[in-house]
Amino acid sequence: GAGVSQTPSNKVTEKGKYVELRCDPISGHTALYWYRQSLGQGPEFLIYFQGTGAADDSGLPNDRFFAVRPEGSVSTLKIQRTERGDSAVYLCASSLGTNTEAFFGQGTRLTVV
Amino acid sequence: QQPVQSPQAVILREGEDAVINCSSSKALYSVHWYRQKHGEAPVFLMILLKGGEQKGHEKISASFNEKKQQSSLYLTASQLSYSGTYFCGTRVKAAGNKLTFGGGTRVLVKP
Repeated sequence: GAGVSQTPSNKVTEKGKYVELRCDPISGHTALYWYRQSLGQGPEFLIYFQGTGAADDSGLPNDRFFAVRPEGSVSTLKIQRTERGDSAVYLCASSLGTNTEAFFGQGTRLTVV
Repeated sequence: QQPVQSPQAVILREGEDAVINCSSSKALYSVHWYRQKHGEAPVFLMILLKGGEQKGHEKISASFNEKKQQSSLYLTASQLSYSGTYFCGTRVKAAGNKLTFGGGTRVLVKP
């Protein structure tokens, strides 16, 4: 695709429910990042993939959060038993390599009610 | 490992200059600068890979002092379109390829 695509753009869910957020990176980009951004804050690192493997998942806040990238392209961020504190914009970015420009998607705004 | 940005906010008149600083407590591989407008995704400005490197994008330039583990972004002769929040992202030598962002600097350019 022309850019990083994230779906859905908005998601409202009830506390305790399970959600999946999808990221479709730019074709050929091997590096993929997930971030969480709260209002007025910088993007908070969650997890980084190089190819299919999670190279660094040190930013995942707890075991309710999990991400996969099974074929080295599309990635899914999964959140179990959602809490109100999970409400934020979840951003995905991809890049060709480690020291090249990272392109961000428009984000998924998650609201847990 | 999150870089620290200063100032947190700056208000400018069109045509004025400003400097945004980004510092790290750890040795850096690289510094990445992004600008984000309200409700939009961050947009890449530039990457600095080597100590002493300087780059420019329009009238926005940046420098990287590897020894001091810091970078500065210079907004010269600011335009209304420069308004937004500027983030620096850093790759720390001790943390591989993880790209971590600072808290941002909000810039408002007034006519």
